[in-house]
Amino acid sequence: EPEVTQTPSHQVTQMGQEVILRCVPISNHLYFYWYRQILGQKVEFLVSFYNNEISEKSEIFDDQFSVERPDGSNFTLKIRSTKLEDSAMYFCASSEGSGPQHFGDGTRLSIL
Amino acid sequence: GEDVEQSLFLSVREGDSSVINCTYTDSSSTYLYWYKQEPGAGLQLLTYIFSNMDMKQDQRLTVLLNKKDKHLSLRIADTQTGDSAIYFCAESMNRDDKIIFGKGTRLHILP
Repeated sequence: EPEVTQTPSHQVTQMGQEVILRCVPISNHLYFYWYRQILGQKVEFLVSFYNNEISEKSEIFDDQFSVERPDGSNFTLKIRSTKLEDSAMYFCASSEGSGPQHFGDGTRLSIL
Repeated sequence: GEDVEQSLFLSVREGDSSVINCTYTDSSSTYLYWYKQEPGAGLQLLTYIFSNMDMKQDQRLTVLLNKKDKHLSLRIADTQTGDSAIYFCAESMNRDDKIIFGKGTRLHILP
């Protein structure tokens, strides 16, 4: 069964550095999403992306964050000037629009 | 605003049925989901139900929706040790909209 893949599974970064989290959505899907889950808390929506542009973003998704679909397969989340509170599990999801969202296994981001 | 509430823990004996309950606040929610998260793993979609349905059954899983009370439940029949996980109730207005998650219910299986 096709699945969403995320790399790396664990990323350790020094505070203030930039980090790029990568996702390969399911190939025929058109809608892409990023969510995050701070340890012990709810899974929170960050951003949705369709037709090469952001369709919705949450209050969390400020100027520190950006998303890109650099080619036909990858979907990336860039976090600039990382802070300690950015430490979380980041989930990528995709859907074909007529079906539910399918999630990847997540990237655990640890900011030191 | 939108909110999804569920109890944090549930312990069930192996072989018994597990019932995980959830309430949501947004009456315009059209899609209601149950996701499963095993330790160290991602979010696995278990099942989902449209708001115009009362019930959906899929093998050992039964989802019941009371739209008037905004109450959703997930029943797992014949609970097995492999069912031990965190179960997230979630909702969205449309299929391509953001999903709002509850905090998750940790299901613990007793021998």
